[in-house]
Amino acid sequence: GAGVSQSPSNKVTEKGKDVELRCDPISGHTALYWYRQRLGQGLEFLIYFQGNSAPDKSGLPSDRFSAERTGESVSTLTIQRTQQEDSAVYLCASSPRTVTEAFFGQGTRLTVV
Amino acid sequence: SQQGEEDPQALSIQEGENATMNCSYKTSINNLQWYRQNSGRGLVHLILIRSNEREKHSGRLRVTLDTSKKSSSLLITASRAADTASYFCATPGGGGGNKLTFGTGTQLKVEL
Repeated sequence: GAGVSQSPSNKVTEKGKDVELRCDPISGHTALYWYRQRLGQGLEFLIYFQGNSAPDKSGLPSDRFSAERTGESVSTLTIQRTQQEDSAVYLCASSPRTVTEAFFGQGTRLTVV
Repeated sequence: SQQGEEDPQALSIQEGENATMNCSYKTSINNLQWYRQNSGRGLVHLILIRSNEREKHSGRLRVTLDTSKKSSSLLITASRAADTASYFCATPGGGGGNKLTFGTGTQLKVEL
């Protein structure tokens, strides 16, 4: 089947604008992760959804960041009032359950100008 | 915060040589995973080793796990230029819960 799909693949936005990033996980995968990766850096955990449990939001860097997931399907990551420091690749991953391998999308490269 | 720390941060070798990367982690785990990333985009899962396993092989990859030292190593034998990538270890449960937390990564360059 199809892999994890992220859109858009690239996004350039002006400082102060809001952006919405989308992730379509693999069908049937109950776990979904969002990560941020700045240039040349490792993966910074943002948020984790597992089934109907309350999401783990412990990695969200500020209240400008929020994410939602509808059931076990699509997720959106919203960044309000974007700042230049938000420029990064945002990666989404899903897995069939917790503590198993994660399947990654190709990411959204966000550039804030 | 990062659960895992890879060592070295960067590694440059000649084609045909072996590459060894190490990962240290902080909390108890039930498995440890290694991923590869090309060109700063999506990661690809390479291998998963469970906490009750000490060594695992997959093709040219060999992973070891020492839970007493909270460390793992990834060995790539007979490296190829196509192995050039960044390699990350990942553990579920870093910082509590089941979220998958990644290390800082090792950038491997294999030269012809």
